[in-house]
Amino acid sequence: QSALTQPASVSGSPGQSITISCTGTNKDIGSHNYVSWYQQHPGKAPKVLIYGVTNRPSGVSDRFSGSKSGNTASLTISDLQPEDEADYFCNSYVSSSALNHVFGSGTTVTVV
Amino acid sequence: QVQLQESGPGLVKPSETLSLICTVSGGSMTGYYWSWIRETPGRGLEWIGHIYHSGSTNYNSAFESRVTISIDMSKNQISLILRSVTASDTAVYYCARHFYEYGDFRYWGQGTLVTVSS
Repeated sequence: QSALTQPASVSGSPGQSITISCTGTNKDIGSHNYVSWYQQHPGKAPKVLIYGVTNRPSGVSDRFSGSKSGNTASLTISDLQPEDEADYFCNSYVSSSALNHVFGSGTTVTVV
Repeated sequence: QVQLQESGPGLVKPSETLSLICTVSGGSMTGYYWSWIRETPGRGLEWIGHIYHSGSTNYNSAFESRVTISIDMSKNQISLILRSVTASDTAVYYCARHFYEYGDFRYWGQGTLVTVSS
């Protein structure tokens, strides 16, 4: 099972919107809606931003939104802020007895 | 607030056994799944396996022959044992909590770096 594919880096200016893609297969992203997204600042624990493809946990800014089409999930950050500069990765449940979860390769977001 | 803290030796010799503990505070262990996840520069994040509070486990087949995850409810701890380590097991190891087997990892520890080297 390969990792989910994400772009290595995405950049944007304050106030802009950016989208990070996460591409899998019909065995993971394409087969259900158990996709989540995480933000990780250097030296910090990951923080969940989106679960179940589109849902935000309590306390997460509505500037973060998720979607899915086929085998690709996406995270959109609207009104980009300097504090959004961080690493982002996706996760999908896998319908297999050999593996339950697979992660994305990670994307570094830079606010320029 | 739920907090998870990984602990254990930062250096393990090749062919030996890696042992880590995840201590949970600020919340119950009952009703949750507890996963071990690792991150390496080359392979990124890898799910190692999880344990439910009942003790039932599920492992990534890539590790299944040499991994054991256990839970001690009396100590609020989850342990990871990885046998016969090699340099490729050098990684930051995280523990994380999720409510459903398929669910998101809602709480994570800070991670602990384990280096495999003689």
